[in-house]
Amino acid sequence: DVKVTQSSRYLVKRTGEKVFLECVQDMDHENMFWYRQDPGLGLRLIYFSYDVKMKEKGDIPEGYSVSREKKERFSLILESASTNQTSMYLCASSFKGGYTFGSGTRLTVV
Amino acid sequence: KQEVTQIPAALSVPEGENLVLNCSFTDSAIYNLQWFRQDPGKGLTSLLLIQSSQREQTSGRLNASLDKSSGRSTLYIAASQPGDSATYLCAVRPPSGAGSYQLTFGKGTKLSVIP
Repeated sequence: DVKVTQSSRYLVKRTGEKVFLECVQDMDHENMFWYRQDPGLGLRLIYFSYDVKMKEKGDIPEGYSVSREKKERFSLILESASTNQTSMYLCASSFKGGYTFGSGTRLTVV
Repeated sequence: KQEVTQIPAALSVPEGENLVLNCSFTDSAIYNLQWFRQDPGKGLTSLLLIQSSQREQTSGRLNASLDKSSGRSTLYIAASQPGDSATYLCAVRPPSGAGSYQLTFGKGTKLSVIP
């Protein structure tokens, strides 16, 4: 089975900090994704990548950037964290079929 | 733009009951549909994946059906158990082409199975 690992389960950061969320998958999948999940709004796509060094904006990319230097790793970067970025962040990978999600990172910005 | 709706938003049933969760989507041009389970504070666990050419998929006590022409899918859970309590989400993937990697999710049905 594909495993998608997110480096942190819980993070607390201060407003204005630069925040890195890391995601690693172990099955050589080409496609990787970052979502955020908020009550009442469901899952929203932030960015995705279909190959190394390739990235595409999702529905809500503002305030975020991503990095994919190696196929197995997809990083989400909050350049200057703000309180409205407090959320659950979910990473996923996909090949031809379905999607596999990580266990999520609960980020709180204070 | 594809929209996915799951009704009801919440459901409470006694243990042992068979139940059906519903998912509807507005654009029948899909590549596949996937059902996920999410426990509180956790990530999504894939339950069943149905390709657009398939009518149903089964895994243990779970059976998912797909009627693409009517834009509907159902997740049937047999003999429900308290451990089935979770939020169930469905998601559709568009056909190949621009944006084909982007899933559209419903907002989920929160299931509570009462012992």
